[in-house]
Amino acid sequence: TQLLEQSPQFLSIQEGENLTVYCNSSSVFSSLQWYRQEPGEGPVLLVTVVTGGEVKKLKRLTFQFGDARKDSSLHITAAQPGDTGLYLCAGEGGATNKLIFGTGTLLAVQP
Amino acid sequence: KAGVTQTPRYLIKTRGQQVTLSCSPISGHRSVSWYQQTPGQGLQFLFEYFSETQRNKGNFPGRFSGRQFSNSRSEMNVSTLELGDSALYLCASSLATGRLRAFFGQGTRLTVV
Repeated sequence: TQLLEQSPQFLSIQEGENLTVYCNSSSVFSSLQWYRQEPGEGPVLLVTVVTGGEVKKLKRLTFQFGDARKDSSLHITAAQPGDTGLYLCAGEGGATNKLIFGTGTLLAVQP
Repeated sequence: KAGVTQTPRYLIKTRGQQVTLSCSPISGHRSVSWYQQTPGQGLQFLFEYFSETQRNKGNFPGRFSGRQFSNSRSEMNVSTLELGDSALYLCASSLATGRLRAFFGQGTRLTVV
């Protein structure tokens, strides 16, 4: 069974701080996606990484795919209250080719 | 381009009843996946349909079923509702199975009382 563990589970920080969210698995994924979900809404795709070691930047967000394609990280620089939400990683691959979601990290950025 | 539309947004049902949820994917998308989201279990995969055929299925009991129509719209049905079925049900559409990008609807919040 493919599992994706995210850490930390909860994170409450002050505006302007930096943070990193981790997504780890013992399985290899062909691609990994990061989503942000706000209350009452569906997840919205932020980025997809497909190559081991790949780094992608989206304004203040930096995403990295592990060399072995088993893990990923999301780093936010100078967090803003608008970054508040549930961050989900999702891996694609394996025999079933379905999207497996991580356990989620709930981020609260206080003004 | 219109996004993924799920109806209804909110639903309250009684234990033992059955419910049908609807999902209209983005125009041109042929793959529709359904997920159940709860605080305790997170986002769990229910099933995926592509071209009216179920391609993948998660580990849910047979009370959960779905179908896809020729216009790619999909429905999921839950029979004999239990309190534990209370959740946010999300639908995601993508161009094809084996996709790299899935677009989610806003979900249907089901409460079973």
